[in-house]
Amino acid sequence: QKEVEQNSGPLSVPEGAIASLNCTYSDRVSQSFFWYRQYSGKSPELIMSIYSNGDKEDGRFTAQLNKASQYVSLLIRDSQPSDSATYLCAVNLGTGGFKTIFGAGTRLFVKA
Amino acid sequence: DADVTQTPRNRITKTGKRIMLECSQTKGHDRMYWYRQDPGLGLRLIYYSFDVKDINKGEISDGYSVSRQAQAKFSLSLESAIPNQTALYFCATSDLRQGGANEQFFGPGTRLTVL
Repeated sequence: QKEVEQNSGPLSVPEGAIASLNCTYSDRVSQSFFWYRQYSGKSPELIMSIYSNGDKEDGRFTAQLNKASQYVSLLIRDSQPSDSATYLCAVNLGTGGFKTIFGAGTRLFVKA
Repeated sequence: DADVTQTPRNRITKTGKRIMLECSQTKGHDRMYWYRQDPGLGLRLIYYSFDVKDINKGEISDGYSVSRQAQAKFSLSLESAIPNQTALYFCATSDLRQGGANEQFFGPGTRLTVL
Protein backbone atom coordinates (compact mmCIF):
# COMPACT_ATOMS: atom_id res chain seq x y z
CA GLN A 1 0.00 0.00 0.00
CA LYS A 2 1.34 3.41 -0.95
CA GLU A 3 1.70 5.85 1.91
CA VAL A 4 -0.25 8.55 0.07
CA GLU A 5 -2.69 7.56 -2.66
CA GLN A 6 -4.48 9.64 -5.24
CA ASN A 7 -6.47 8.80 -8.32
CA SER A 8 -4.23 9.77 -11.23
CA GLY A 9 -7.16 10.98 -13.31
CA PRO A 10 -7.58 12.79 -15.52
CA LEU A 11 -10.57 14.38 -13.83
CA SER A 12 -12.52 16.47 -16.30
CA VAL A 13 -15.07 19.06 -15.19
CA PRO A 14 -16.89 21.85 -17.04
CA GLU A 15 -16.08 25.46 -16.31
CA GLY A 16 -18.02 26.71 -13.29
CA ALA A 17 -18.46 23.26 -11.75
CA ILE A 18 -17.03 21.95 -8.48
CA ALA A 19 -13.92 19.79 -8.82
CA SER A 20 -13.40 17.24 -6.05
CA LEU A 21 -9.95 15.75 -5.52
CA ASN A 22 -9.34 12.97 -3.04
CA CYS A 23 -6.39 11.54 -1.16
CA THR A 24 -5.91 8.75 1.38
CA TYR A 25 -2.90 8.15 3.60
CA SER A 26 -1.64 5.21 5.62
CA ASP A 27 0.17 6.72 8.63
CA ARG A 28 -2.39 7.22 11.39
CA VAL A 29 -0.23 9.64 13.40
CA SER A 30 0.23 12.09 10.53
CA GLN A 31 -0.38 15.66 11.65
CA SER A 32 -0.02 17.96 8.66
CA PHE A 33 -1.63 17.77 5.24
CA PHE A 34 -1.05 19.83 2.13
CA TRP A 35 -2.31 20.37 -1.38
CA TYR A 36 0.11 21.55 -4.06
CA ARG A 37 -0.78 22.61 -7.58
CA GLN A 38 1.66 21.84 -10.39
CA TYR A 39 1.28 23.17 -13.89
CA SER A 40 2.90 21.17 -16.65
CA GLY A 41 6.67 21.67 -16.64
CA LYS A 42 6.54 23.87 -13.55
CA SER A 43 7.30 23.38 -9.88
CA PRO A 44 4.73 22.48 -7.21
CA GLU A 45 3.06 25.45 -5.53
CA LEU A 46 1.46 25.18 -2.10
CA ILE A 47 -2.22 26.14 -2.20
CA MET A 48 -3.69 24.71 1.02
CA SER A 49 -2.54 23.37 4.39
CA ILE A 50 -4.82 21.69 6.92
CA TYR A 51 -3.98 20.36 10.37
CA SER A 52 -7.32 19.71 12.12
CA ASN A 53 -10.36 17.64 11.28
CA GLY A 54 -13.04 19.48 9.36
CA ASP A 55 -13.06 22.02 6.58
CA LYS A 56 -10.72 24.89 5.80
CA GLU A 57 -11.72 27.41 3.17
CA ASP A 58 -9.52 29.81 1.22
CA GLY A 59 -11.23 31.59 -1.63
CA ARG A 60 -12.51 29.03 -4.11
CA PHE A 61 -10.57 26.23 -2.40
CA THR A 62 -11.79 24.09 0.49
CA ALA A 63 -9.66 21.41 2.12
CA GLN A 64 -11.39 18.70 4.11
CA LEU A 65 -9.68 16.42 6.61
CA ASN A 66 -11.01 13.28 8.29
CA LYS A 67 -8.26 11.69 10.38
CA ALA A 68 -10.44 8.79 11.50
CA SER A 69 -10.91 7.75 7.87
CA GLN A 70 -7.36 8.86 6.90
CA TYR A 71 -8.80 10.93 4.12
CA VAL A 72 -8.13 14.45 2.87
CA SER A 73 -9.83 16.17 -0.04
CA LEU A 74 -9.71 19.40 -2.00
CA LEU A 75 -12.77 21.07 -3.46
CA ILE A 76 -12.41 23.75 -6.12
CA ARG A 77 -15.57 25.79 -6.57
CA ASP A 78 -16.40 27.66 -9.79
CA SER A 79 -13.62 25.82 -11.61
CA GLN A 80 -11.78 27.81 -14.25
CA PRO A 81 -9.67 26.63 -17.20
CA SER A 82 -6.68 28.13 -15.36
CA ASP A 83 -7.23 25.52 -12.63
CA SER A 84 -6.20 22.81 -15.10
CA ALA A 85 -3.11 21.30 -13.51
CA THR A 86 -1.91 18.33 -11.51
CA TYR A 87 -2.81 18.48 -7.82
CA LEU A 88 -0.44 16.80 -5.39
CA CYS A 89 -1.54 15.66 -1.95
CA ALA A 90 1.26 15.69 0.64
CA VAL A 91 1.35 14.32 4.18
CA ASN A 92 3.86 14.87 6.97
CA LEU A 93 4.43 11.48 8.50
CA GLY A 94 4.50 10.87 12.23
CA THR A 95 4.70 13.54 14.86
CA GLY A 96 8.16 14.89 13.98
CA GLY A 97 6.78 16.60 10.94
CA PHE A 98 9.89 16.73 8.80
CA LYS A 99 9.28 13.83 6.44
CA THR A 100 6.76 14.71 3.77
CA ILE A 101 5.37 12.09 1.43
CA PHE A 102 3.78 13.20 -1.81
CA GLY A 103 1.08 11.43 -3.74
CA ALA A 104 1.59 10.94 -7.47
CA GLY A 105 -1.02 13.59 -8.21
CA THR A 106 -4.40 13.92 -9.90
CA ARG A 107 -4.60 15.65 -13.26
CA LEU A 108 -7.52 18.06 -13.53
CA PHE A 109 -8.91 19.42 -16.77
CA VAL A 110 -11.44 22.23 -16.69
CA LYS A 111 -13.28 22.52 -19.99
CA ALA A 112 -14.29 25.98 -21.17
CA ASP B 1 13.32 37.75 -7.82
CA ALA B 2 12.79 34.05 -7.23
CA ASP B 3 13.11 32.91 -3.63
CA VAL B 4 14.49 29.48 -4.56
CA THR B 5 16.71 29.18 -7.63
CA GLN B 6 18.23 26.16 -9.32
CA THR B 7 21.03 25.86 -11.84
CA PRO B 8 21.21 24.59 -14.46
CA ARG B 9 17.59 24.49 -15.61
CA ASN B 10 18.29 21.88 -18.24
CA ARG B 11 21.21 19.50 -18.65
CA ILE B 12 22.00 16.69 -21.04
CA THR B 13 24.92 14.49 -20.12
CA LYS B 14 26.39 11.08 -20.85
CA THR B 15 26.51 7.93 -18.77
CA GLY B 16 29.38 7.95 -16.31
CA LYS B 17 29.78 11.73 -16.07
CA ARG B 18 29.74 13.55 -12.73
CA ILE B 19 27.01 16.16 -12.51
CA MET B 20 26.27 18.84 -9.92
CA LEU B 21 22.93 20.55 -9.51
CA GLU B 22 22.87 23.68 -7.41
CA CYS B 23 20.17 25.29 -5.29
CA SER B 24 20.16 28.69 -3.62
CA GLN B 25 17.48 30.35 -1.52
CA THR B 26 16.84 33.81 -0.14
CA LYS B 27 13.94 32.81 2.12
CA GLY B 28 16.14 32.41 5.19
CA HIS B 29 14.86 28.86 5.72
CA ASP B 30 16.92 26.30 7.58
CA ARG B 31 15.53 23.17 5.97
CA MET B 32 16.42 22.24 2.41
CA TYR B 33 15.46 19.23 0.34
CA TRP B 34 16.23 17.54 -2.97
CA TYR B 35 13.49 15.61 -4.78
CA ARG B 36 13.23 13.87 -8.11
CA GLN B 37 10.00 13.60 -10.05
CA ASP B 38 9.24 10.84 -12.52
CA PRO B 39 5.97 10.41 -14.44
CA GLY B 40 3.46 8.43 -12.39
CA LEU B 41 5.72 8.25 -9.34
CA GLY B 42 5.33 11.69 -7.87
CA LEU B 43 8.02 13.43 -5.89
CA ARG B 44 10.57 11.25 -4.12
CA LEU B 45 12.96 12.56 -1.49
CA ILE B 46 16.67 12.12 -2.22
CA TYR B 47 18.34 14.04 0.65
CA TYR B 48 17.38 16.65 3.19
CA SER B 49 19.25 18.99 5.50
CA PHE B 50 18.12 20.91 8.56
CA ASP B 51 21.25 23.06 8.82
CA VAL B 52 24.79 23.18 7.45
CA LYS B 53 25.95 20.41 9.79
CA ASP B 54 22.97 18.15 9.26
CA ILE B 55 22.57 15.91 6.20
CA ASN B 56 20.11 13.04 5.98
CA LYS B 57 19.33 10.41 3.37
CA GLY B 58 15.87 10.24 1.90
CA GLU B 59 14.17 7.26 0.31
CA ILE B 60 16.28 7.14 -2.88
CA SER B 61 19.78 8.40 -1.98
CA ASP B 62 21.81 5.68 -3.75
CA GLY B 63 23.92 7.19 -6.56
CA TYR B 64 23.57 10.72 -5.18
CA SER B 65 25.48 12.89 -2.72
CA VAL B 66 24.86 16.37 -1.36
CA SER B 67 26.72 19.30 0.14
CA ARG B 68 25.27 22.08 2.30
CA GLN B 69 27.82 24.82 1.72
CA ALA B 70 25.90 27.48 3.62
CA GLN B 71 22.43 28.00 5.04
CA ALA B 72 21.34 29.28 1.63
CA LYS B 73 23.03 26.70 -0.63
CA PHE B 74 22.42 22.99 -1.09
CA SER B 75 24.00 21.06 -3.96
CA LEU B 76 23.17 17.64 -5.35
CA SER B 77 25.79 15.54 -7.12
CA LEU B 78 25.44 12.50 -9.31
CA GLU B 79 28.81 10.80 -8.96
CA SER B 80 28.49 8.69 -12.10
CA ALA B 81 25.30 9.44 -13.97
CA ILE B 82 23.21 6.60 -15.38
CA PRO B 83 20.19 6.74 -17.72
CA ASN B 84 17.63 5.90 -15.03
CA GLN B 85 18.61 9.12 -13.27
CA THR B 86 16.91 10.99 -16.09
CA ALA B 87 14.23 12.98 -14.28
CA LEU B 88 13.04 16.37 -13.15
CA TYR B 89 14.88 17.46 -9.99
CA PHE B 90 13.47 19.93 -7.50
CA CYS B 91 15.03 21.72 -4.59
CA ALA B 92 12.70 22.82 -1.79
CA THR B 93 12.95 24.74 1.46
CA SER B 94 10.92 25.02 4.63
CA ASP B 95 11.09 27.06 7.80
CA LEU B 96 12.34 25.28 10.90
CA ARG B 97 10.29 27.67 13.02
CA GLN B 98 7.13 26.04 11.62
CA GLY B 99 8.01 22.86 13.45
CA GLY B 100 5.74 20.08 12.32
CA ALA B 101 3.92 22.17 9.75
CA ASN B 102 6.79 21.98 7.24
CA GLU B 103 5.19 23.84 4.34
CA GLN B 104 7.67 23.52 1.49
CA PHE B 105 8.60 26.00 -1.24
CA PHE B 106 10.04 24.68 -4.47
CA GLY B 107 12.61 25.90 -6.94
CA PRO B 108 11.84 25.91 -10.69
CA GLY B 109 13.41 22.50 -11.26
CA THR B 110 16.25 21.05 -13.31
CA ARG B 111 15.46 18.73 -16.17
CA LEU B 112 18.29 16.22 -16.40
CA THR B 113 18.75 13.79 -19.27
CA VAL B 114 21.40 11.08 -19.08
CA LEU B 115 22.18 9.46 -22.41
